[in-house]
Amino acid sequence: EADIYQTPRYLVIGTGKKITLECSQTMGHDKMYWYQQDPGMELHLIHYSYGVNSTEKGDLSSESTVSRIRTEHFPLTLESARPSHTSQYLCASSPPSAGGEPQPQHFGDGTRLSIL
Amino acid sequence: SQQGEEDPQALSIQEGENATMNCSYKTSINNLQWYRQNSGRGLVHLILIRSNEREKHSGRLRVTLDTSKKSSSLLITASRAADTASYFCATDDGPGGGADGLTFGKGTHLIIQP
Repeated sequence: EADIYQTPRYLVIGTGKKITLECSQTMGHDKMYWYQQDPGMELHLIHYSYGVNSTEKGDLSSESTVSRIRTEHFPLTLESARPSHTSQYLCASSPPSAGGEPQPQHFGDGTRLSIL
Repeated sequence: SQQGEEDPQALSIQEGENATMNCSYKTSINNLQWYRQNSGRGLVHLILIRSNEREKHSGRLRVTLDTSKKSSSLLITASRAADTASYFCATDDGPGGGADGLTFGKGTHLIIQP
């Protein structure tokens, strides 16, 4: 199992609250990702980072924001949660390519977010 | 936009049988990866096949890639109850060599009956 941790695992919270989902990895990976996944559906990339101070938006538009101040930490924030944000959020990381060899992504167990 | 489409959406077989899942994609790719997701957990990487490869094996897993048909298949031989999970194909089709994320299909939900 990869050393990538997400907290909380489950969060049920009311509309309008500010939420931060935590993601930490201890592998020293430079690249990190956030995906959104509805039950039984595909993953959609919402944010990624090449390294410290790098953040990029993914394919799926999201009202969330991310920051990357430290290599190991890639938190995702929702300033004002809405019911439409209810979903599972998965964090992943990957190491640098070794000799041009593509590297797989390592996933955390996700945060199941429910906005009432 | 969605890149990968898995087929079938769900598959139920007896323990010991082989399971085959297919994935089709739309654009040219650098590589294609298969992941497994157990209920309530994150994804676990299974196997990666590069665009210039046609077949790859890893234990009981066999992956094929046909870039002319833009399709891939995952074969699990001698299935076990522990193989029950959802299986996703994911394509690396960006200029960043995967650094800018993967595009996932909807997945195949595999149930192995004891």
